[in-house]
Amino acid sequence: DQQVKQNSPSLSVQEGRISILNCDYTNSMFDYFLWYKKYPAEGPTFLISISSIKDKNEDGRFTVFLNKSAKHLSLHIVPSQPGDSAVYFCAASRGYNNAGNMLTFGGGTRLMVKP
Amino acid sequence: GAVVSQHPSWVICKSGTSVKIECRSLDFQATTMFWYRQFPKQSLMLMATSNEGSKATYEQGVEKDKFLINHASLTLSTLTVTSAHPEDSSFYICSAPVWPGGYTFGSGTRLTVV
Repeated sequence: DQQVKQNSPSLSVQEGRISILNCDYTNSMFDYFLWYKKYPAEGPTFLISISSIKDKNEDGRFTVFLNKSAKHLSLHIVPSQPGDSAVYFCAASRGYNNAGNMLTFGGGTRLMVKP
Repeated sequence: GAVVSQHPSWVICKSGTSVKIECRSLDFQATTMFWYRQFPKQSLMLMATSNEGSKATYEQGVEKDKFLINHASLTLSTLTVTSAHPEDSSFYICSAPVWPGGYTFGSGTRLTVV
């Protein structure tokens, strides 16, 4: 039972254009969502997060949108750069600011930004 | 920022031997450490949650006698893969929650059992 799903295993985008990575979840108890970037043989690197009290959070080129009614979130990267090429994972947690809750990860989307 | 140092970054061992993976919180106290496993081209799957001074909580399907977790101090959690077999070959990552609401990950350990 996959509680967090990333239905697109890969995405190819031209440099300078927008990258949109999608994530769906089924557990309505999730109230905190995070996006991570990961290179092979490395640990995930935190990108941006959003709590369920918000519907948008922006940090530089990265914006995360949350649609609670649809149980859907997306990560927008504008403009996309070749250095953004990596695997992106969305993750969900119950209880923002609670240091005991595990993360549930989606399957990841491999983003390739072409020069 | 909060950093978790994970060692070794890669290890090759013979089938039947044991391997220990360490995760140290460098500038904060980690009362909780999550251990994940990632197979090639797959997601990170939670194996177990360790809490300082108490027994680890294992996810369903994870053999606690095979994957020994020790969290003896606030800055060190270890995962020991006992009697390793080729099917244990994987990428293992630890993660500690950091306030407020974040998680910091180790750099991962690539285990290859031959």
